Amino acid sequence: GNSVTQMEGPVTLSEEAFLTINCTYTATGYPSLFWYVQYPGEGLQLLLKATKADDKGSNKGFEATYRKETTSFHLEKGSVQVSDSAVYFCALVDSGGGADGLTFGKGTHLIIQP
Amino acid sequence: EAGVAQSPRYKIIEKRQSVAFWCNPISGHATLYWYQQILGQGPKLLIQFQNNGVVDDSQLPKDRFSAERLKGVDSTLKIQPAKLEDSAVYLCASSLASYNEQFFGPGTRLTVL
Repeated sequence: GNSVTQMEGPVTLSEEAFLTINCTYTATGYPSLFWYVQYPGEGLQLLLKATKADDKGSNKGFEATYRKETTSFHLEKGSVQVSDSAVYFCALVDSGGGADGLTFGKGTHLIIQP
Repeated sequence: EAGVAQSPRYKIIEKRQSVAFWCNPISGHATLYWYQQILGQGPKLLIQFQNNGVVDDSQLPKDRFSAERLKGVDSTLKIQPAKLEDSAVYLCASSLASYNEQFFGPGTRLTVL
């Protein structure tokens, strides 16, 4: 079956530090990959996505590259801000069949200190 | 544009009681999903509808959970009878069609005592 593994949190960084949150996946087909973010008191929202190998998704200064050879989709940001404090979820949707429910990792709680 | 609406936001019940959650998707969205998010875990898909038909309910515990989307718009998810392990946040999401961006509602937090 499909699964997503992401690094355990909480991850605590100082403002302007470099961020990496690791994500690896297992899929039976050819998945699309996503990062979702949940800010305090808010619902889940899509941060970025990539639909094929070597694609790079980017949004709000965050980036992630679809690496088929390492089955990874690591999230990076060059300089984090306090406002980036949130829970980040890596997720996938397998290809084909019409059923496109997301398979999520457990989430990584990111805390940015001023 | 209004987002996905869910009610109630919070519910506390005793085990073996029944409970129902309601979801109103974004207008025009044909696809609707229910997810269960247990504390400390990522959301898990329970059921996916395309209009009023079920696309995937392979992870729905059908002995106690049921869901419907009779007119292809609003949806209800029911648990009967509830167990302690059903304590979770129940998320509803919708999308224009399959393989489009899913938009999530705020969720209903269920506590089973």
